[in-house]
Amino acid sequence: RKEVEQDPGPFNVPEGATVAFNCTYSNSASQSFFWYRQDCRKEPKLLMSVYSSGNEDGRFTAQLNRASQYISLLIRDSKLSDSATYLCVFPSGAGSYQLTFGKGTKLSVIP
Amino acid sequence: EPEVTQTPSHQVTQMGQEVILRCVPISNHLYFYWYRQILGQKVEFLVSFYNNEISEKSEIFDDQFSVERPDGSNFTLKIRSTKLEDSAMYFCASSEPSGGLNTGELFFGEGSRLTVL
Repeated sequence: RKEVEQDPGPFNVPEGATVAFNCTYSNSASQSFFWYRQDCRKEPKLLMSVYSSGNEDGRFTAQLNRASQYISLLIRDSKLSDSATYLCVFPSGAGSYQLTFGKGTKLSVIP
Repeated sequence: EPEVTQTPSHQVTQMGQEVILRCVPISNHLYFYWYRQILGQKVEFLVSFYNNEISEKSEIFDDQFSVERPDGSNFTLKIRSTKLEDSAMYFCASSEPSGGLNTGELFFGEGSRLTVL
């Protein structure tokens, strides 16, 4: 099983739609998870951290399911500006400063 | 807003040539990183640097690669003898004194695109 797997998409959704992405991971010892956003040919930027109890920030909700080893990202009321690639990220090991990135899920929000 | 800056934004070089990519991390950050992203592929870790030494490096970061913090502001990545497969976007990143472990927040520069011919 790969370290981290994401559906590459693309997810093409109309403005205002709700869309959800999942990311599965293989390292059951991982304690921290993050969603980064990457616009085309730009640098990754942290979108949100994923805590055991989940995390909500405005239209974005992240959840963690340890039993099934996946994290999810839900975007409500999609905006055109949400169009980007969403990267699932976690530290590579205990005490490690190395982050492992998924390949990302591409989202296109259509007018 | 403080940001990580990288130069050059794009460099074209011949195979076998040496390349130096430069980065100015955010001033109060203590942890520095280089990542790379081959076109269409995922972001990959190369090396982390703290307290003037390498703290971790990946298998990609072989003897052809080196990093340096020559002064109080710059952080450089040198590729000694470039290969075709080194063509990629190279991202420099820095994180706060906690190392970003808790928040997962690395601040990335806009990247240096390296093309090896």
